Amino acid sequence: QSVLTQPPSASGTPGQRVTISCSGSTSNIGSNAVSWYQQLPETAPKLLIYTNSQRPSGVPDRFSGSKSGTSASLAISGLQSEDEAAYYCAAWDDSLNDWVFGGGTKLTVL
Amino acid sequence: EVQLVESGGALVQPGGSLRLSCAASGFTFSSSWMHWVRQVPGKGLVWVSRITSDGTRISYADSVKGRFTISRDNAKNTLYLQMNSLRVEDTAVYYCARWKYFGSGSYAFDIWGQGTMVTVSS
Repeated sequence: QSVLTQPPSASGTPGQRVTISCSGSTSNIGSNAVSWYQQLPETAPKLLIYTNSQRPSGVPDRFSGSKSGTSASLAISGLQSEDEAAYYCAAWDDSLNDWVFGGGTKLTVL
Repeated sequence: EVQLVESGGALVQPGGSLRLSCAASGFTFSSSWMHWVRQVPGKGLVWVSRITSDGTRISYADSVKGRFTISRDNAKNTLYLQMNSLRVEDTAVYYCARWKYFGSGSYAFDIWGQGTMVTVSS
């Protein structure tokens, strides 16, 4: 069972806006920055969002992140078929002194 | 080109040993903190171990503590993971990743290797 809680699945139609949640605690999300990773099928994870809401160079502005208290969210607007992937949140945990990941959300584009 | 390339994954019997390597290129490896993260096929990501840029500070997940050893050779731009006393539950794809500091106490894994499969089975 993952320390950070994500819904196992999400779906949307092309063009739609989808939001994926990530719930943690005061020792991780509540105290530290959240990052998000996209993992396309059969590929390695890729950094999508860092410091809660910042996008690395090359990541489309359709992807946005936010954080409030002990929860974080990833929003994808203008959904495209190539967005079909697994998405993971992550944060440093001050109590465990480890990195913790969410269990991942598999996004299906209908 | 910035990249990490893992190697060394294989099929090994329970109780056996394996050493994974991660070759870095395109960035200053000697200045980078590095991590190993694993993923059981079809499951989520799990942090395994980290090492500071100079190799002086190391940390492990409880599940591998005492069995795995992370190390690095900055002259060869290579990260290692020595895996001993392997268990069936260690079966996973193992990724190496660079840990980048973005300021204001914010870190993230910004570069990932393609992964190497370790299968522990009799």
